Amino acid sequence: SQQGEEDPQALSIQEGENATMNCSYKTSINNLQWYRQNSGRGLVHLILIRSNEREKHSGRLRVTLDTSKKSSSLLITASRAADTASYFCATVPNAGGTSYGKLTFGQGTILTVHP
Amino acid sequence: GAGVSQTPSNKVTEKGKYVELRCDPISGHTALYWYRQSLGQGPEFLIYFQGTGAADDSGLPNDRFFAVRPEGSVSTLKIQRTERGDSAMYLCASSHDRYTEAFFGQGTRLTVV
Repeated sequence: SQQGEEDPQALSIQEGENATMNCSYKTSINNLQWYRQNSGRGLVHLILIRSNEREKHSGRLRVTLDTSKKSSSLLITASRAADTASYFCATVPNAGGTSYGKLTFGQGTILTVHP
Repeated sequence: GAGVSQTPSNKVTEKGKYVELRCDPISGHTALYWYRQSLGQGPEFLIYFQGTGAADDSGLPNDRFFAVRPEGSVSTLKIQRTERGDSAMYLCASSHDRYTEAFFGQGTRLTVV
């Protein structure tokens, strides 16, 4: 079963604009990860944020985490046509036997960046 | 080194047949994961191996699904008596250990006709 919801389900923007995607989840987490998927094939790991972190940056990506609201956001700044893909958040529960690869994914946001 | 390799990339089979999907993880990765992704959905966890043993198989939908990793490297996902509802993208991922992020293969798209 899916952990939570992603919002919006689809996002269409122009090159150079910023794109913000939101993710909500239901249970206590160890960490939250964002992945990108092109054309329905393999997923590419973008960033991992731990439950005791509030914000993390990687290049043009900025991720925030609010554990009190059980939500996260992914911001892509100065978007490019090559950023067009589906973006998924995924959580790792805060439980015994935690494995960072045993993920519960959201349904994803389809991002389209028009040149 | 090479990434996670999955073969075949596409598989079409008839309802009721048996299929095997193969995953070659990144060399040296001890953890290996299988996921299933239906169209328009996020991936869903099936099973996780730590070394040769299945550490968590709670995501396998029923006893028609089975996976092995006999030497702690290559893994095979086996599906018996396939049904049309098994049609999906099957994704494999590996990680160095349980405390590092997973790297995904390109998946096997299974179609049951």
